[in-house]
Amino acid sequence: KNQVEQSPQSLIILEGKNCTLQCNYTVSPFSNLRWYKQDTGRGPVSLTIMTFSENTKSNGRYTATLDADTKQSSLHITASQLSDSASYICVVSAMNYGNNRLAFGKGNQVVVIP
Amino acid sequence: ETGVTQTPRHLVMGMTNKKSLKCEQHLGHNAMYWYKQSAKKPLELMFVYSLEERVENNSVPSRFSPECPNSSHLFLHLHTLQPEDSALYLCASSQEQSSGANVLTFGAGSRLTVL
Repeated sequence: KNQVEQSPQSLIILEGKNCTLQCNYTVSPFSNLRWYKQDTGRGPVSLTIMTFSENTKSNGRYTATLDADTKQSSLHITASQLSDSASYICVVSAMNYGNNRLAFGKGNQVVVIP
Repeated sequence: ETGVTQTPRHLVMGMTNKKSLKCEQHLGHNAMYWYKQSAKKPLELMFVYSLEERVENNSVPSRFSPECPNSSHLFLHLHTLQPEDSALYLCASSQEQSSGANVLTFGAGSRLTVL
């Protein structure tokens, strides 16, 4: 079973609307959680990174939250734009392993339509 | 342009061919990675070169062979691949530090198709 589960697998939203993507993880001991955006045909680009002590972090219209007690994170997209169409990947790092032991989710595929 | 450049962007090869993927990072990072991304699957770490030490995923077949001549360049040599090896191969780099919170910077990927 994958250590990082994302939902929904895919969604379609109207331009201008908000949406929230979910990430649940079982990685332990927890070090940090990252959200990446991957446009079609491109590599993932980092949006946010949060450590144990951080509950929320924003990057423009993207706001990530973290509840380390329930091992859940969400990524909220505000006032969606066509350019937000992409796959959003949740990545969790375990303590003491750094980037050698990252656990990746399968991604949330978001399509924004006019 | 992220600072990590991969070539070629697209590659079609037969099962008996030998080819190589190239990655170059211009960020001064001290670690480089190869990942495999298949449809509807999480990214799979293949190889890591960190502080000149190589770490590999034991499940990667020997038909994939990495080479890291220096901290800025990384190659993935391909030999007698199978159709199931068709995927997007992503190179990444990072600056490894004791804090552990090191963001990966990815290249745009090399789309490989094995016929």
